[in-house]
Amino acid sequence: GQQVMQIPQYQHVQEGEDFTTYCNSSTTLSNIQWYKQRPGGHPVFLIQLVKSGEVKKQKRLTFQFGEAKKNSSLHITATQTTDVGTYFCAGRTSGTYKYIFGTGTRLKVLA
Amino acid sequence: NAGVTQTPKFQVLKTGQSMTLQCAQDMNHNSMYWYRQDPGMGLRLIYYSASEGTTDKGEVPNGYNVSRLNKREFSLRLESAAPSQTSVYFCASSEKAEQETQYFGPGTRLLVL
Repeated sequence: GQQVMQIPQYQHVQEGEDFTTYCNSSTTLSNIQWYKQRPGGHPVFLIQLVKSGEVKKQKRLTFQFGEAKKNSSLHITATQTTDVGTYFCAGRTSGTYKYIFGTGTRLKVLA
Repeated sequence: NAGVTQTPKFQVLKTGQSMTLQCAQDMNHNSMYWYRQDPGMGLRLIYYSASEGTTDKGEVPNGYNVSRLNKREFSLRLESAAPSQTSVYFCASSEKAEQETQYFGPGTRLLVL
């Protein structure tokens, strides 16, 4: 079945450093979504990517969708303590309503 | 406008007991989902309802049943709880099933002894 892997599993950075998490699917995706979950909280939608090679930016966050629509990345520039949490990607293949979530990357920012 | 609400927030069960987790949304969304989250496993889809009157299995449906009671409510039932079902359960909804933001509820933390 479809699998979505995320790396790294954990990342500790000093405040001000950059951070990147990568998401890889075993199958071609129709679209991919990114969510953030704060400790003890619930996942909150960040963005959706649909087109091959798409790049979207939200302030310090940059999201990319690979040309083959099998991988994606989230890059945070100059991390802040408010960026702490777990970042999940969720991919959907054509013809299904199911989103398969990646295992997540837990980010810790040291002040 | 409460968004997605879930009850209860926390529950302890003994092996073999049954219970129903309740979920309701007030956003007039068509699609609703049940996920479980285990440490290091991310979120796994249990069941989903693309629209009122339909339900389908997700990745891990065994041991669970669902009911889409109406457009607002989607319940998850454990008929005979097992320790392996200890998890945090999240309900989510979206306007439609494909290419739409999923809005998550606060979660139900379930412990099965």
